Amino acid sequence: DSGVTQTPKHLITATGQRVTLRCSPRSGDLSVYWYQQSLDQGLQFLIQYYNGEERAKGNILERFSAQQFPDLHSELNLSSLELGDSALYFCASSGWWGTGANVLTFGAGSRLTVL
Amino acid sequence: AQRVTQPEKLLSVFKGAPVELKCNYSYSGSPELFWYVQYSRQRLQLLLRHISRESIKGFTADLNKGETSFHLKKPFAQEEDSAMYYCALSGGYQKVTFGTGTKLQVIP
Repeated sequence: DSGVTQTPKHLITATGQRVTLRCSPRSGDLSVYWYQQSLDQGLQFLIQYYNGEERAKGNILERFSAQQFPDLHSELNLSSLELGDSALYFCASSGWWGTGANVLTFGAGSRLTVL
Repeated sequence: AQRVTQPEKLLSVFKGAPVELKCNYSYSGSPELFWYVQYSRQRLQLLLRHISRESIKGFTADLNKGETSFHLKKPFAQEEDSAMYYCALSGGYQKVTFGTGTKLQVIP
């Protein structure tokens, strides 16, 4: 599958814990985006990386961090988890020029439940 | 700052009726606007983008810079159009901001 791959699909953990969500972009895409989707909140932009460097930052909490590795996969780290962090976390990727730029291809999402 | 507003959380229309999903944006430069759709149990996917000026699945959207709007329209709704629709804006540095989404429910 050459699309965007996210793991794990589902994750249940306890408050105070730390989790890592992983994303592999579509083949050839250099940009990776992370979004959080909570009930009634729509898609909240968290952060964007381009070829390993942070490109744009949204409403990402200090407890959250991310990085993009040389092989272009990205990880979103969520620490000191709170109940309110329960959400669907989407990763998306895009090309870097021409008609592919700014067009996002989404993964299936990682559903995080904090108990 | 860039912002996208979708005023309706839910829009219910009868099959065959016209559909208009509203989207207003705020951006100081020249934005690129998109509509994404998420069908049940499927991934979010691009429906159309304003620079393409094309009709996808009967849907069209025109960028109105004066009114800062990018409403999505379809003359005759079909049951398979039922889905979650998101308007999105890309400004500088490829940052893409989404609205809160509108759920379209087409009643048979």
